[in-house]
Amino acid sequence: AQSVTQLDSQVPVFEEAPVELRCNYSSSVSVYLFWYVQYPNQGLQLLLKYLSGSTLVKGINGFEAEFNKSQTSFHLRKPSVHISDTAEYFCAVSDQAGGSYIPTFGRGTSLIVHP
Amino acid sequence: EAQVTQNPRYLITVTGKKLTVTCSQNMNHEYMSWYRQDPGLGLRQIYYSMNVEVTDKGDVPEGYKVSRKEKRNFPLILESPSPNQTSLYFCASSQKQAGNSGNTIYFGEGSWLTVV
Repeated sequence: AQSVTQLDSQVPVFEEAPVELRCNYSSSVSVYLFWYVQYPNQGLQLLLKYLSGSTLVKGINGFEAEFNKSQTSFHLRKPSVHISDTAEYFCAVSDQAGGSYIPTFGRGTSLIVHP
Repeated sequence: EAQVTQNPRYLITVTGKKLTVTCSQNMNHEYMSWYRQDPGLGLRQIYYSMNVEVTDKGDVPEGYKVSRKEKRNFPLILESPSPNQTSLYFCASSQKQAGNSGNTIYFGEGSWLTVV
């Protein structure tokens, strides 16, 4: 079984500042890793995913994440945030051996961008 | 357009009155799932289905039922709702893919349910 820990429940930041949302996971097998974003009053949509290969993954809206196997982390970063990035962000992990269609989600990090 | 559609989007009901939240997807996905989202707890899986007539309990199945008679539909049934089932509910679907490919999960827009 796998688990996900999002270390910050809330991250306030000023517009145009860089941001990092932290995610750590635990699993006894190889995993796929995902970040989802939930804008106010909407469902979740995929931001980016790591399946294999390059550990630096680029997603939509200028976000990227780096898979670090030794630290079991998959932190999400953006060099310069906008007001429109204000949303809830969820890290998720799924077990490669299980076919990757049963993910475990973290508790979410609320990114609040101030003008 | 690829879609997961949930209905109703908003509902206030009374304790004990059976209700059904419908979910339909138009992507021919095998896998469907229901989650509830509560403040500080993230998404918790209620039930999931790998294919027609195949359903399984998730992390928080108590008080819920599901059925999967057709591939596109996966209704969530609350036989006797209680106030602790007040939550935001999401239906999701995904295509099973073998090998090193991962899956994108598609979510509905959510159903706000209040039980008084």
